[in-house]
Amino acid sequence: QSVLTQPPSVSAASGQKVTISCSGSSSNIGNNHVSWYQQLPGTAPKLLIYDNNNRPSGIPDRFSGSKSGTSATLGITGLQTGDEAVYYCGTWDSSLSAWLFGGGTKLTVL
Amino acid sequence: EVQVLESGGGLVQPGGSLRLSCAASGFTFSNYAMAWVRQAPGKGLEWVTGISASGNKPYYADSVKGRFTASRDNSKSTLYLQMNSLRAEDTAVYYCAKQRGNYGVLGFDYWGQGTLVTVSS
Repeated sequence: QSVLTQPPSVSAASGQKVTISCSGSSSNIGNNHVSWYQQLPGTAPKLLIYDNNNRPSGIPDRFSGSKSGTSATLGITGLQTGDEAVYYCGTWDSSLSAWLFGGGTKLTVL
Repeated sequence: EVQVLESGGGLVQPGGSLRLSCAASGFTFSNYAMAWVRQAPGKGLEWVTGISASGNKPYYADSVKGRFTASRDNSKSTLYLQMNSLRAEDTAVYYCAKQRGNYGVLGFDYWGQGTLVTVSS
C-alpha cells in the first residue's frame, strides 16, 4: 500500500473535466513539491506537472495541478481519448529520505 | 535533445547479480541528480534509488537497501545500478530518470524507455 493515496480509477466523458487526488502527510506532500506523471499504455512515464502547479513546455494548459496542505490534485479539462492513461503523483518524503509515488489512477474517457 | 538510454537488463537467476547502465546526453550530466525507478509487471511505479549530482550519498528504497548500489561517472555521463542478491520480486522494467535539480528532492523530467530485468530460475 502506497504512502501517497490516489483513487485507483476515474472516468469522465469526452470533453468533460476530471480531477485526480493525491493524499499524503506533513513529511511528504505537506513540505515538499509534488509532481504528476502520465503513463500511456506501453510507454515510459512522462512529466506533466512539476513543483505542484507548473507545466513543462509542450504540456497543454488542459492539465493543471494544485496543492493544499497534505493533498494535491491534478485537473484535466477538455478530455480526449488520448488522455486515457495511468496518472501518478510523486514527491520526496523528508522523514523516509525517499521518493514516493502514489499507487496510480487509471483514467478512462467515456 | 535530452536522452537517457538504459542497458544491461536480462534474465538472471535468484541470488544472481546484474549491472544496469544509463547513458545520458543532451544536458550537463554533472549538474543533475539521477534516479532509478522500477515497475513490476502490471504494477505501479516504485522509486529504487537516487544519487545527487556529485555522486555522494545515494538514497535507497528499503526494499533494495544493502543489495543494490547506485553510482555515476560524470566524465562519461553514465549512471549505474549494481544489483546483487536478486530476488523474484525484483523482476521489473527499470527506468533511468533525470531529476530537475542537483539533489533528489525534485521531480523527474526525462525518462528512458526502460530495461527489463527478469529474475527467475
